[in-house]
Amino acid sequence: AQTVTQSQPEMSVQEAETVTLSCTYDTSESDYYLFWYKQPPSRQMILVIRQEAYKQQNATENRFSVNFQKAAKSFSLKISDSQLGDAAMYFCAYRSKQTGANNLFFGTGTRLTVIP
Amino acid sequence: KAGVTQTPRYLIKTRGQQVTLSCSPISGHRSVSWYQQTPGQGLQFLFEYFSETQRNKGNFPGRFSGRQFSNSRSEMNVSTLELGDSALYLCASRLEGLPLGTQYFGPGTRLLVL
Repeated sequence: AQTVTQSQPEMSVQEAETVTLSCTYDTSESDYYLFWYKQPPSRQMILVIRQEAYKQQNATENRFSVNFQKAAKSFSLKISDSQLGDAAMYFCAYRSKQTGANNLFFGTGTRLTVIP
Repeated sequence: KAGVTQTPRYLIKTRGQQVTLSCSPISGHRSVSWYQQTPGQGLQFLFEYFSETQRNKGNFPGRFSGRQFSNSRSEMNVSTLELGDSALYLCASRLEGLPLGTQYFGPGTRLLVL
């Protein structure tokens, strides 16, 4: 079974600074999807960024980018120019490409605090 | 386009009762998945429905069941509630056939079992 590990339960960053959240995963599959979701105190899970494993290029969405290292099975999230609204729980998630196995495997999350 | 909606948002039940939660996916999305979120176990997959059929199931007891209707709306039912069933239940919908096939989540139903 696939497992996702987020080794940083909590992180903090100064407003306007950059922070990197770590994620590693374990799988025997060669092609899959990886996601970062954000869950603010309102509890609504929001997609931040996504990556297909076969694509070498790291995904970028405005201030959010990933460092995808397939061989190392690492998928870190970099948040640049941090804003107060970035404060939330961040979950890394894995999804197989196999038909009938579309569920997400989540890490335990990293709570990000943004300091004004 | 409206997002995923879940009702009710909050629910209080007592042990032994049963509960039904509802999820309406984004229009056009036919895949609906359910997840349980607790402080101790984190986010765990319950089941996925597609075109009214359960396509995938997580490792939960038979007290947890679900169904999907022809309009893609889904319900999940928990019978004989236990204290440990207290959780945030999240529903996610997905548009089949697109690359990546991102799941979009609803706001969740907070269930408290007393």
